[in-house]
Amino acid sequence: QVHLVESGGGLVKPGGSLRLSCAASGFAFSDYYMSWIRQAPGKGLEWVSYINSVGSTVDYADSVKGRFTISRDNARNSLYLQVNSLRPEDTAVYYCATGRYSSYWGQGTLVTVSS
Amino acid sequence: EIVLMQSPGTLSLSPGERATLSCRASQSVSSSYLAWYQQKPGQAPRLLIYGASSRATGIPDRFSGSGSGTDFTLTISRLEPEDFAVYYCQQYAGSPFTFGQGTRLEIK
Repeated sequence: QVHLVESGGGLVKPGGSLRLSCAASGFAFSDYYMSWIRQAPGKGLEWVSYINSVGSTVDYADSVKGRFTISRDNARNSLYLQVNSLRPEDTAVYYCATGRYSSYWGQGTLVTVSS
Repeated sequence: EIVLMQSPGTLSLSPGERATLSCRASQSVSSSYLAWYQQKPGQAPRLLIYGASSRATGIPDRFSGSGSGTDFTLTISRLEPEDFAVYYCQQYAGSPFTFGQGTRLEIK
């Protein structure tokens, strides 16, 4: 059974940083592209970033480019998102999900950016 | 960047009725790389359709997707009470893999 569990969210001041993690199990993690998708409170889904199966290709939404970094550790079946220079508008639930279109999603981790 | 526009914003229907949701792209979505998701309050989204018309595993056959190029449709043939939710389309033909703004399907 596929399982994705995000962690690392929390309350942070503007300009602060966090490292979000996603632990994967139940599937061949190293074979899959992975994505981060976020959802601000009461708003729609926003694609944030993706990484290919070996970590050699990544891309980001313009809204986070230069501030967020996606990475993965296939030996640990883990996906990461380093989020720096956080802004209030980055407040959202951050989901990790498989693939470019997402068959499987975690339950999300809440990032709140507020002074 | 491909912009996706979903319509209507809100759709009010009764159980047993047919629902038709639209997703229009600002440019052609190559290879019909378009997906549809359902999201209920407090839950992560669930994949319904990929490749514009292929149902994901475990999705009932009352859900169907169609379309190509810039115009795509999600149809729910006979609404069940559990189908009332928010629906999103997403293109994955090219990065950024953008989402539409969503259609809220509510009980009339």
